[in-house]
Amino acid sequence: RKEVEQDPGPFNVPEGATVAFNCTYSNSASQSFFWYRQDCRKEPKLLMSVYSSGNEDGRFTAQLNRASQYISLLIRDSKLSDSATYLCVVNTPSNTGKLIFGQGTTLQVKP
Amino acid sequence: DVKVTQSSRYLVKRTGEKVFLECVQDMDHENMFWYRQDPGLGLRLIYFSYDVKMKEKGDIPEGYSVSREKKERFSLILESASTNQTSMYLCASSGYYGYTFGSGTRLTVV
Repeated sequence: RKEVEQDPGPFNVPEGATVAFNCTYSNSASQSFFWYRQDCRKEPKLLMSVYSSGNEDGRFTAQLNRASQYISLLIRDSKLSDSATYLCVVNTPSNTGKLIFGQGTTLQVKP
Repeated sequence: DVKVTQSSRYLVKRTGEKVFLECVQDMDHENMFWYRQDPGLGLRLIYFSYDVKMKEKGDIPEGYSVSREKKERFSLILESASTNQTSMYLCASSGYYGYTFGSGTRLTVV
């Protein structure tokens, strides 16, 4: 079993749609969770951290379910500019700062 | 603004050459990482370093070595480049808010 698993997609949605991505992780001792965004041929960039209570940043909402070991990202009112690959990221329970990346979920927003 | 700088954006090298990929961060972070990214395989950790002169193997260290002589600089070395090392190489530095990545080096070995 992979340490972080995501559905690679692609998810093809029309502008204005709401889309949700899920991700599962295997190490119950993980404490830090993130969503990164990666545009084509660019480096990944931090989209948002994921907190136990859930958090929202504009049209983006991230949630964490520790009991089921999954993380979700909800995008409301999709824009063309949201087209990218979204990487689910989980820390390893050590002091090295090492993160484990999922393979990413590709989103394509169509006009 | 936080910055991780990789020395080359694109690189073409011949099989058997020794290749150096340089990464510099200006955030005074202790932890630095080298990944390669290939289609369908995602990001794979090659090596990481949690302090000057300290290094640890990641998931795919074979064919690579690293050097961390100064806190801000972490170098990836391909001892004898091979065609299966053609890839996108990403350096990252780790702080409280996760990783900051460099813009990547797309290496082609011919």
